[in-house]
Amino acid sequence: NAGVTQTPKFQVLKTGQSMTLQCAQDMNHNSMYWYRQDPGMGLRLIYYSASEGTTDKGEVPNGYNVSRLNKREFSLRLESAAPSQTSVYFCASSWGAQETQYFGPGTRLLVL
Amino acid sequence: AQSVSQHNHHVILSEAASLELGCNYSYGGTVNLFWYVQYPGQHLQLLLKYFSGDPLVKGIKGFEAEFIKSKFSFNLRKPSVQWSDTAEYFCAVKPNQAGTALIFGKGTTLSVSS
Repeated sequence: NAGVTQTPKFQVLKTGQSMTLQCAQDMNHNSMYWYRQDPGMGLRLIYYSASEGTTDKGEVPNGYNVSRLNKREFSLRLESAAPSQTSVYFCASSWGAQETQYFGPGTRLLVL
Repeated sequence: AQSVSQHNHHVILSEAASLELGCNYSYGGTVNLFWYVQYPGQHLQLLLKYFSGDPLVKGIKGFEAEFIKSKFSFNLRKPSVQWSDTAEYFCAVKPNQAGTALIFGKGTTLSVSS
């Protein structure tokens, strides 16, 4: 039981490049989330998917898109990376919107 | 807008000292409450949670938290900290309302010296 997995672990991009962060969970959870963590800011929700087939914006969605590919997988795409998107990105999942969220190991992204 | 406040940005303690980290939230309705811990270089792990019932909840590694509804608070405590408790601690609140998300505080860094 791997829990929540994320790829890649670390990525360096140049401004304007695009990339997709992958997240998968094997706990049969319905809800999945993408957060970014910045020093002194805590975790801020980018997008979430309450159930397969639905996605909603969180607190800081600008510059990102998401795809809930199936129940297991939830990807985050940066179409044109900017230095302000340098951050650590965490994926999480939960049974339902009210339940405990379980976090992946994170992706550290540096945009030059 | 709902918010979560963690009053201490950085706490420095010696081993065996007692710990209390404050957390207050702004939401008048029913909430689910969480404390997560992030050890250096690792991902967030659940320390404890409160959904209903006894307002004093016990978590892993000797941590406990008390929900005081009248004060909108969910403070984290540990009677005697260890060096291995050095980490960042996040309080999070989930309003029991459709369409709302889990809201995190900005975190408290705990440094424990041996």
